[in-house]
Amino acid sequence: GENVEQHPSTLSVQEGDSAVIKCTYSDSASNYFPWYKQELGKRPQLIIDIRSNVGEKKDQRIAVTLNKTAKHFSLHITETQPEDSAVYFCAASKGRSGYSTLTFGKGTMLLVSP
Amino acid sequence: DADVTQTPRNRITKTGKRIMLECSQTKGHDRMYWYRQDPGLGLRLIYYSFDVKDINKGEISDGYSVSRQAQAKFSLSLESAIPNQTALYFCATESGGGELFFGEGSRLTVL
Repeated sequence: GENVEQHPSTLSVQEGDSAVIKCTYSDSASNYFPWYKQELGKRPQLIIDIRSNVGEKKDQRIAVTLNKTAKHFSLHITETQPEDSAVYFCAASKGRSGYSTLTFGKGTMLLVSP
Repeated sequence: DADVTQTPRNRITKTGKRIMLECSQTKGHDRMYWYRQDPGLGLRLIYYSFDVKDINKGEISDGYSVSRQAQAKFSLSLESAIPNQTALYFCATESGGGELFFGEGSRLTVL
């Protein structure tokens, strides 16, 4: 089955800095790569996703890049703010084909200091 | 707003007791999931269901069972709870676009 590795496990930055979280996946058939944000005491929520037919996607201060050849994808947050502090999870799946389900990384705790 | 609701939100029980966690949704999604969250281990899939007559094991199904009573309801049971099942449990539904919508979570403590 799919295996998703996520690094780093914790990341501390100063407000205004950029933050990068990296994930690798093992199954070359995976084609859907979402990122979820979980604030303290809250439920995970989707913040951005990318499909294998594109290499990069942006939404305001966040962006995701995908390298299918190397089987890795990354989340980039620019101009970080204290409200970006949360646990971020990457995930991978083969989309809604067959019985494919999302496999999550173990999470990155991002702390943005004012 | 359409939502995913879990009950109970918190539960403390003793080893050997049977526990049921319930999930209901008003999003109209066919696909539903149960995940377990432990610190440092991320979200691990316990069971999932793609429609009312469909039940599938996830990566950590041992010690758990589920029931899909209707499109809107998906329950998780621990037949005989043990301390290492202490965790935060999330129910989720999946939209047609693949987005997961999580419930607020059920924190279970097994003494």
